[in-house]
Amino acid sequence: NAGVTQTPKFQVLKTGQSMTLQCAQDMNHEYMSWYRQDPGMGLRLIHYSVGAGITDQGEVPNGYNVSRSTTEDFPLRLLSAAPSQTSVYFCASSYGFGSGELFFGEGSRLTVL
Amino acid sequence: AQRVTQPEKLLSVFKGAPVELKCNYSYSGSPELFWYVQYSRQRLQLLLRHISRESIKGFTADLNKGETSFHLKKPFAQEEDSAMYYCALRGSGNTPLVFGKGTRLSVIA
Repeated sequence: NAGVTQTPKFQVLKTGQSMTLQCAQDMNHEYMSWYRQDPGMGLRLIHYSVGAGITDQGEVPNGYNVSRSTTEDFPLRLLSAAPSQTSVYFCASSYGFGSGELFFGEGSRLTVL
Repeated sequence: AQRVTQPEKLLSVFKGAPVELKCNYSYSGSPELFWYVQYSRQRLQLLLRHISRESIKGFTADLNKGETSFHLKKPFAQEEDSAMYYCALRGSGNTPLVFGKGTRLSVIA
């Protein structure tokens, strides 16, 4: 039981490049979400999904896309990377939207030059 | 709107001293409050939630609706308590968790 798995752990991009951060969970959780963690800003919600085929925007969605074709996977796409997207990204899941207990991945550190 | 405020970015205490990590919230309804912790090189994880009214690793937190606070307390700090602590709120209905900016606790030997 791996829990929530994120790849890659580290990535360096140039401005304008695109990439996808992968997130997979093996706990059959309905709810999945992406946060970014920045110094002094805490954790801010980017996008979330309450089930396969359903996604919604969080607090800071601009510049990111998500999709949820399966219960297990919730990739985060950066369309055209900008230095402001340099951050640590966390994927988290829970049994349902109403559960306050999120299970987090190890994080993906992204640097945009 | 839901908002969580953690006024201290960094809190340093000596081992054995009491610890209080402050959390204030803004929400018009009845919220659920949580504390999450991130130890060095470990995943962010749930520490405790107000509805459980339990003590985890010696930490407790009481929801004070009058003061809209959910402070995290421990009577005697240990070095292994050094970590980043986040207070989080979930409003009624289907709303995502909102996190505060976090407080880094450093326990000095």
